[in-house]
Amino acid sequence: LAKTTQPISMDSYEGQEVNITCSHNNIATNDYITWYQQFPSQGPRFIIQGYKTKVTNEVASLFIPADRKSSTLSLPRVSLSDTAVYYCLVGPSNTGKLIFGQGTTLQVKP
Amino acid sequence: NAGVMQNPRHLVRRRGQEARLRCSPMKGHSHVYWYRQLPEEGLKFMVYLQKENIIDESGMPKERFSAEFPKEGPSILRIQQVVRGDSAAYFCASSPRDSGTDYEQYFGPGTRLTVT
Repeated sequence: LAKTTQPISMDSYEGQEVNITCSHNNIATNDYITWYQQFPSQGPRFIIQGYKTKVTNEVASLFIPADRKSSTLSLPRVSLSDTAVYYCLVGPSNTGKLIFGQGTTLQVKP
Repeated sequence: NAGVMQNPRHLVRRRGQEARLRCSPMKGHSHVYWYRQLPEEGLKFMVYLQKENIIDESGMPKERFSAEFPKEGPSILRIQQVVRGDSAAYFCASSPRDSGTDYEQYFGPGTRLTVT
């Protein structure tokens, strides 16, 4: 399974766009890139998943360059309620096992 | 459609006692996963089960821990003779496995186990 590297923490202000980049240099051909969000004392919540190029849903966008060695989660106009830990996961879709790294703690300030 | 249910939400056990954690997956989901989150650490995969089968238990400690997902009823994570190091949040997740990708798992609220 590909190892991921992401910043330990980030600060932002309400209304700003936040971009969290994840490095995964050893990503394999059959690996997907998935992001989860976890609030304190809650279970993680699936945000978005992609394989290449760009994926957008009602919550976030995911940008994946052609070489797929990194990916960027983009949160538009964050609010205080977006304060959470964001995990980047890379792996094949059929193992049933999610491998969580340390995640990025995003602190949104007023 | 109710989400993944876990009970109890909080469990206190003395050293040496048994802990039983229950997980009811989302309706229509036949795949259950258990994860453990130690204080100030990330989530660690423990076990992946389908109905009546253990698919992957590579993250389970070799002793004292067991898991099951019977044909009827919730999935159970059982910890025998608990020790203080077992104190953690235990999360259950489920997936339908019908979309071709099971990286989208739905997590429950967790059970916080405290061993005194």
